[in-house]
Amino acid sequence: GAVVSQHPSWVICKSGTSVKIECRSLDFQATTMFWYRQFPKQSLMLMATSNEGSKATYEQGVEKDKFLINHASLTLSTLTVTSAHPEDSSFYICSASRGEKLFFGSGTQLSVL
Amino acid sequence: KQEVTQIPAALSVPEGENLVLNCSFTDSAIYNLQWFRQDPGKGLTSLLLIQSSQREQTSGRLNASLDKSSGRSTLYIAASQPGDSATYLCAVLTGTASKLTFGTGTRLQVTL
Repeated sequence: GAVVSQHPSWVICKSGTSVKIECRSLDFQATTMFWYRQFPKQSLMLMATSNEGSKATYEQGVEKDKFLINHASLTLSTLTVTSAHPEDSSFYICSASRGEKLFFGSGTQLSVL
Repeated sequence: KQEVTQIPAALSVPEGENLVLNCSFTDSAIYNLQWFRQDPGKGLTSLLLIQSSQREQTSGRLNASLDKSSGRSTLYIAASQPGDSATYLCAVLTGTASKLTFGTGTRLQVTL
C-alpha cells in the first residue's frame, strides 16, 4: 500500500518559536495533501488542504498566517506552526490522496512549553 | 454542515466477543464512508471503505455496513482480540476536494 511519512513524530518547543512538520508521500505523487489537528479525546479536524504549486485552502477558524503550508513538490508538504503557544499543543497529522483513498502519516505530537 | 457521531464513545469487551460500533452522519449526500483504526499517539490505518452505492464491505473479521438514506453505518468486529484494542474512527467524504469529516471515535478495549 501507499506510504506517507511524517516527521518529526514528536517535538517539544518553547513558546514563541516556530516548528516545521514534514509530510512526504514515499511511493506516489500527491497533488493534494491534507493537514489535520486532533486535541485529546476529540476528533480529527481538517485544518487545510494543500495543493501542489498553489496556495493552501484553510478551513474556517484556522489562521493562515500562523499555520504556514507549503506544497512545493508532488511528494512533500510542510506545515509550519509560527510563534507557537501552549494552546497550539496538539497532535498534527497529514494525509495524501491517491485516487479515492487517503493515506495518513503517523502524526506529530507537538508540545509547546 | 456535515456532523458525524459515534456511539459508544468507549467500549470494553472480553476477548472472543463479537461487537458493533455505530456511526451516524447528518448529511446523506456522501461519496463514501471509511472506517479507520488509530493506535495511541499514532496515525490512522484505513480498515474499510464503502462507496455511497454499496451496502457493505468485508475484510477478515471486519464487516462494515452503510445505510445512506438513514445516515448510519456500523462496524462489526467478530471474535475480538486484545490486538483489536484501539480507537475506531468513521469518516464520511462529502463535497469536493476529498474533504473528510471524522467522528469522535470509539475507544475499544479488548480484555483477556
